[in-house]
Amino acid sequence: EIVLTQSPATLSLSPGERATLSCRASQSVSSYLAWYQQKPGQAPRLLIYDASNRATGIPARFSGSGSGTDFTLTISSLEPEDFAVYYCQQRSNWPRATFGQGTKLEIK
Amino acid sequence: EVQLVESGGGLVQPGGSLRLSCAASGFTFSSYEMNWVRQAPGKGLEWVSYISSSGSTIYYADSVKGRFTISRDNAKNSLYLQMNSLRAEDTAVYYCARDSYGGNDLDYWGQGTLVTVSS
Repeated sequence: EIVLTQSPATLSLSPGERATLSCRASQSVSSYLAWYQQKPGQAPRLLIYDASNRATGIPARFSGSGSGTDFTLTISSLEPEDFAVYYCQQRSNWPRATFGQGTKLEIK
Repeated sequence: EVQLVESGGGLVQPGGSLRLSCAASGFTFSSYEMNWVRQAPGKGLEWVSYISSSGSTIYYADSVKGRFTISRDNAKNSLYLQMNSLRAEDTAVYYCARDSYGGNDLDYWGQGTLVTVSS
């Protein structure tokens, strides 16, 4: 089973700063990696699919990159509404999805 | 607008049963594969089960296999999860989530329904 490891566990930044979140897979997942945002009390929301494609309605400040085992979610300039928990997800053993443990992006 | 609305959660004793429902609207339900994903309090996301668009192909996580049954009624635009032999570790918010068409991600999620297994 492929394990996804996200780092850091918590990231403390200020609005306007750039955020860089990492997701590392224990084996290659090609480009089949997605990112989700979850705010307290809300369902996850798809941000990025296939490593680098923004989902419908997602602002351009969100971008994804990577392939194989190393992936990055970048938020170019943090808005107040971006502080949330972010999860990566892969599905190499389709249709079973596995998620990383999450990165909490908090206001510094 | 795509909408997924779960219902049926609640408090149940260990060993009990519960049936969750997910009402879909805003898209052609019968064309999409669907999933259940759960989240224990304060924890991360765990995929639970998948069903193909026709209902003919089904998968479960090892943690629920033999106890949970996923099903769908395309005429009613509804997804279900029958949960039997519930355990304390099944306590979680349960989300229904739509498979993206031809993709490897879950593009729309319901708001979730809380299942609490406790005596």
